Amino acid sequence: DAGVIQSPRHEVTEMGQEVTLRCKPISGHNSLFWYRQTMMRGLELLIYFNNNVPIDDSGMPEDRFSAKMPNASFSTLKIQPSEPRDSAVYFCASSFNTGFRNTEAFFGQGTRLTVV
Amino acid sequence: GNSVTQMEGPVTLSEEAFLTINCTYTATGYPSLFWYVQYPGEGLQLLLKATKADDKGSNKGFEATYRKETTSFHLEKGSVQVSDSAVYFCALRPFGANNLFFGTGTRLTVIP
Repeated sequence: DAGVIQSPRHEVTEMGQEVTLRCKPISGHNSLFWYRQTMMRGLELLIYFNNNVPIDDSGMPEDRFSAKMPNASFSTLKIQPSEPRDSAVYFCASSFNTGFRNTEAFFGQGTRLTVV
Repeated sequence: GNSVTQMEGPVTLSEEAFLTINCTYTATGYPSLFWYVQYPGEGLQLLLKATKADDKGSNKGFEATYRKETTSFHLEKGSVQVSDSAVYFCALRPFGANNLFFGTGTRLTVIP
């Protein structure tokens, strides 16, 4: 398996523009997580899905952020409008969870977002 | 609530030195504990894990023991190499849940 695939690897955009980050989880995994990493705040969980359903979105910073998982093999994180303070590395991770058995989370390589 | 506190960095060691990175946690019930490693420009990779008290996780010469009495999961390695230079994250997963709570990360630099 190719692992968790994120695109793009790098994104530079102007303030006010819409940004869409994409993630393809590992085939067969049923949980997907979006994290944000900054120097100031470390790794923050933004949202996670189980079986394509959002379970906890309490980490989403504000209404400018939205995430979708239309099927088991694809998820997007959208920021509209983007602001300079959104600059960070965004990670997607996936795992397999049955409630009794959980694999560890496997991370993608991240998308480095710079909003100027 | 659930939280992880780990040793502030950065940590700089000479090659072959002994490494300890402290990690303590707060959790309800019996969480699983993890150490992840992040090499420059990459995502996080699982280094080792322990799922119950007194379990020892080990990988690549690194070890950590799940200590319930001290709520700790300290990472150790007897002899570090330059290639171990990375950021190390301690994490917990609450029992019955599948989301992870991470510490702030500790940057390790090993010099020849």
